[in-house]
Amino acid sequence: QQPVQSPQAVILREGEDAVINCSSSKALYSVHWYRQKHGEAPIFLMILLKGGEQKGHDKISASFNEKKQQSSLYLTASQLSYSGTYFCGTGLTGGSQGNLIFGKGTKLSVKP
Amino acid sequence: KAGVTQTPRYLIKTRGQQVTLSCSPISGHRSVSWYQQTPGQGLQFLFEYFSETQRNKGNFPGRFSGRQFSNSRSEMNVSTLELGDSALYLCASSLSSINTGELFFGEGSRLTVL
Repeated sequence: QQPVQSPQAVILREGEDAVINCSSSKALYSVHWYRQKHGEAPIFLMILLKGGEQKGHDKISASFNEKKQQSSLYLTASQLSYSGTYFCGTGLTGGSQGNLIFGKGTKLSVKP
Repeated sequence: KAGVTQTPRYLIKTRGQQVTLSCSPISGHRSVSWYQQTPGQGLQFLFEYFSETQRNKGNFPGRFSGRQFSNSRSEMNVSTLELGDSALYLCASSLSSINTGELFFGEGSRLTVL
């Protein structure tokens, strides 16, 4: 039931783009994205709810393909500050009786 | 606005002992959830409390338990510690359901079991 993230790790140069994928074998209601820097707490990036809506924040955006139960996180023109581990979390229901299950994470390293 | 506070930040225990971790959520947040983080496994959901009631539970043995107080502060307890319990335990608070709202994480309690 744990979503599968790919790739497991990626190294970029500043200014390059990256895509991180999150796939589930279950029908999803929501997909959540968090970033965690080494030694720090995870920080919320965005939530995508059932409906295939694409969201964006600055140069980071995400899509949610309901039919494929997949979400992709797009990082455009990466900056050094983008380095960290990205986790996707999946929710199966919209009600209060639901878990949030996280993937194992994708480690992103941005080099100068 | 104060963030989520977890105590203690670091602790060392031996096998067979028990441990209690504490989490103070952001003021006004009634949902508190707990996660175990180990290298290579990501964030594993333990349980969620809302208004003093356990609302959701992950797939962990009964040695892992928790509770929430009327002021929304939460504690989790691990009894009969095993080496494999060594991990970073993260607490998160939110205004709404954990699968539809933003989670605010604390910096975690790092438990080492010897």
